[in-house]
Amino acid sequence: NAGVMQNPRHLVRRRGQEARLRCSPMKGHSHVYWYRQLPEEGLKFMVYLQKENIIDESGMPKERFSAEFPKEGPSILRIQQVVRGDSAAYFCASSPRLTQPIEQYFGPGTRLTVT
Amino acid sequence: SQQGEEDPQALSIQEGENATMNCSYKTSINNLQWYRQNSGRGLVHLILIRSNEREKHSGRLRVTLDTSKKSSSLLITASRAADTASYFCATALGGSEKLVFGKGTKLTVNP
Repeated sequence: NAGVMQNPRHLVRRRGQEARLRCSPMKGHSHVYWYRQLPEEGLKFMVYLQKENIIDESGMPKERFSAEFPKEGPSILRIQQVVRGDSAAYFCASSPRLTQPIEQYFGPGTRLTVT
Repeated sequence: SQQGEEDPQALSIQEGENATMNCSYKTSINNLQWYRQNSGRGLVHLILIRSNEREKHSGRLRVTLDTSKKSSSLLITASRAADTASYFCATALGGSEKLVFGKGTKLTVNP
């Protein structure tokens, strides 16, 4: 049973370009969470999605950031017109949400570098 | 501000010694979880303790939770060099799906 998969693992973008980060949850998991980790910091919640629904986006910056989790395919975190401050590690987690407490399983992360 | 705050921020010990890390939080929680992150890698879930539990063990790990003090501790006994990593506590606030992480404790175990 493969774990949470994220790709790419490393992504370099120039200022102003778009970054697309992908997350494939564990098999049978229909809930996805995105977190961002700045250097020497803990993870900060960004958004929580179910298939075709955004449930909680309270941690998403108001502009340039969007997320989706389509019926088919991976969840995508999209950052438009990237700036240097977007450089961070972006982690995806998934859960089956069948039991309480909800356990989240994390992927290896995508490290975004904006030059 | 962070819901969970770990201390110390950094801890350096010798192999075989015990390592204790603490986490304090501000609001009521459903549960508290501890994660390990090796440098440049993803998070590995270590242990979850529910709000109605006081202590939990898993191998060389012992976690305590004091809801009256809003604090938790993670004890790693007989540490190994492979335990070198950052350790984070994360809390799930009442009714919420999202985890709130502290800044972590960076543990170095010297061989």
